[in-house]
Amino acid sequence: KNEVEQSPQNLTAQEGEFITINCSYSVGISALHWLQQHPGGGIVSLFMLSSGKKKHGRLIATINIQEKHSSLHITASHPRDSAVYICAVTDYGGSQGNLIFGKGTKLSVKP
Amino acid sequence: DAGITQSPRYKITETGRQVTLMCHQTWSHSYMFWYRQDLGHGLRLIYYSAAADITDKGEVPDGYVVSRSKTENFPLTLESATRSQTSVYFCASSYPTLLGNEQFFGPGTRLTVL
Repeated sequence: KNEVEQSPQNLTAQEGEFITINCSYSVGISALHWLQQHPGGGIVSLFMLSSGKKKHGRLIATINIQEKHSSLHITASHPRDSAVYICAVTDYGGSQGNLIFGKGTKLSVKP
Repeated sequence: DAGITQSPRYKITETGRQVTLMCHQTWSHSYMFWYRQDLGHGLRLIYYSAAADITDKGEVPDGYVVSRSKTENFPLTLESATRSQTSVYFCASSYPTLLGNEQFFGPGTRLTVL
């Protein structure tokens, strides 16, 4: 079983829709990361959080430490949000700095 | 320009050849990482380094060699390339915080081994 599981694997939405991507993990963590990768592009860190909620523009990330679950929300989605979204965790007991990655959620937003 | 760069961006080589992928960062981050990204597997850690002259194996180190003589450079060498090493390779750097390490990724190198 993977230590970081994301759902759904693929997601297609219409422009303007509210989108939620979920991440569950099975290890103790010191932080959870959400990353974005555009087609053929590099990887960008969106959020790093250890509790509560963070917001940046139309993106919101939440985490529930007790339930070992995080969600990434996109409000008023736009075709430029089409990308792969990757959840990763910093394992509290692992080598410092190493991330454990989920396999990603491929989001396609249609105009 | 400041940031993290990788070279080459694209590389085609043949089985058995030695290939070196370069990674350079200008932030003086202590940590650097090499990942490979393959369909169905996501990102997997090959090697990482906590500081100059300190390196350690990740999840999939076989067939790869790294060195870190200077803080800013972290080259990855495939000693004898195999077709299974066809992949996209990402270098990343980070600095430690109380929460953990936010990682900054390079643009990637697409390697094809024929």
